[in-house]
Amino acid sequence: NTKITQSPRYLILGRANKSLECEQHLGHNAMYWYKQSAEKPPELMFLYNLKQLIRNETVPSRFIPECPDSSKLLLHISAVDPEDSAVYFCASSPTGVINTGQLYFGEGSKLTVL
Amino acid sequence: GDSVTQTEGLVTVTEGLPVKLNCTYQTTYLTIAFFWYVQYLNEAPQVLLKSSTDNKRTEHQGFHATLHKSSSSFHLQKSSAQLSDSALYYCALRNNYAQGLTFGLGTRVSVFP
Repeated sequence: NTKITQSPRYLILGRANKSLECEQHLGHNAMYWYKQSAEKPPELMFLYNLKQLIRNETVPSRFIPECPDSSKLLLHISAVDPEDSAVYFCASSPTGVINTGQLYFGEGSKLTVL
Repeated sequence: GDSVTQTEGLVTVTEGLPVKLNCTYQTTYLTIAFFWYVQYLNEAPQVLLKSSTDNKRTEHQGFHATLHKSSSSFHLQKSSAQLSDSALYYCALRNNYAQGLTFGLGTRVSVFP
C-alpha cells in the first residue's frame, strides 16, 4: 500500500530517541498508531481524528504522538526499552457517513532494541 | 468491552481442499463492521473481507463469509485452498468511529502441496 508511507522502515536502537513518520495520501481524517509484537495481533496505541487525539491507550510515557496535519502522523520514542521491539504500523480511515469502518495500514516500521 | 475469538493457532490444509476459520465475537455495542484481515509474512495487514449486513454473504478472492448476528459469528471459508493462501488471518470488528479495530488473536494458515 504505497498510499500510506512510513519511515524509517527498519531501525535498530540502543537506549536512544527516535521518531517514526507516517504520511497518508488517501484524504482520510482518522489516523492511528498500532504496535504489533511478534506472534500477536496489532494493538492500538493512539487514534487521531481531524488532528485531535481521541484515543490514547495505556502506553508508556516514552511514546509521544504528534499529528502536525491531517495527513501526517509522528511517533516520538525516547529511551527505548527492549519490550518496545515490534513493528509499528500507521493506519488511516475515512470518517463520516460514507464509512465502512475499514482501516488501511502502512508498510510498518520495524524497531529492534538492542 | 469487545472481544473476538478465532480458531486458535495453526491450521494446515492440503492444496485444493476446503478451509474454514471460525470467528465469534462479543460486544455490547451496535457494531459498525466486521472484517477479515490477511497478513502475509513481513507485510502489513490488509482487508480480505468486510461486512456490516446480517445474513448477507460477502466474497473476495475465492474466500467468503456471512455475518450471523444471531450466533455472533463471521466464519471465513474457501472451497479450494491455494498455496498462496498461506498467511496469518485476523478476524476483527469495529464499533464506532472513536475506536480502532478489535482483533482476534489470529490464525495461521499453511497450505501444503
